[in-house]
Amino acid sequence: DGGITQSPKYLFRKEGQNVTLSCEQNLNHDAMYWYRQDPGQGLRLIYYSQIVNDFQKGDIAEGYSVSREKKESFPLTVTSAQKNPTAFYLCARLTGGGPLHFGNGTRLTVT
Amino acid sequence: AQTVTQSQPEMSVQEAETVTLSCTYDTSESDYYLFWYKQPPSRQMILVIRQEAYKQQNATENRFSVNFQKAAKSFSLKISDSQLGDAAMYFCAYRSGVENRDDKIIFGKGTRLHILP
Repeated sequence: DGGITQSPKYLFRKEGQNVTLSCEQNLNHDAMYWYRQDPGQGLRLIYYSQIVNDFQKGDIAEGYSVSREKKESFPLTVTSAQKNPTAFYLCARLTGGGPLHFGNGTRLTVT
Repeated sequence: AQTVTQSQPEMSVQEAETVTLSCTYDTSESDYYLFWYKQPPSRQMILVIRQEAYKQQNATENRFSVNFQKAAKSFSLKISDSQLGDAAMYFCAYRSGVENRDDKIIFGKGTRLHILP
C-alpha cells in the first residue's frame, strides 16, 4: 500500500448522513492528498495538506471537510451538502521530490 | 496554471506489439516532474515511470519508456512487448519542482488501454 492505508474499502451510507473516510500514513511524510474518481474519469483534487493543522481546498472541495491534527492522519468527511457523493476516493502521500503514493481507495455508495 | 492533456481516451494494441500513449502539458516553470500512473481494474494507482525536467535523458523502466520533449511540452509513454496485464487506465501527471511552491499535483483525464490477445 505504499505506506498509506485507507479504510474501509467499501462504505455504504444513507442520503443525508455525514460519513468519514480514514487515511493513515506511517512514513512521516508531510503532504497528504484526497482525490475523487468517478467511473471512467480522471482524478479530481478535493483537499490537500502540506503540514499539520493546515490544509488547502482543491478543485472540488464543496461538500467535503478535512482535518490534520496529526501528521499521520488525514480523514475526509463527506457531508450531506455534497450533492453527488457516490464515488471512489483515493488518499495519497507525497514523497520528497517525487511522486504521489496512493492508498487502495474507498468506494463510497450513498443511497 | 498548469494543465495536463491526454488526447486519447482509449487505445487498443495487439499483444506483444508496441503502443505509445500521448501526454502534453502546459507550464511556465522550468523545474518540474512528470509521471505516468497505471490504474488496473483493481483501481490501485501504480507509479509506472517518472521524469525530472532537468534530465535530458528519457526515463526507462523495463518495457516502459518515455519520450520527453521539453520544448514541445510533450511526455509520451511507450509500452513495448505489450502484455495482457498492461490493460489499464493510464494517467499522466505533473508536479512543480519549484521549492516552497504549493504542491498541487495535476492529472490528465486518462487513457484506457486495451490489450488484444
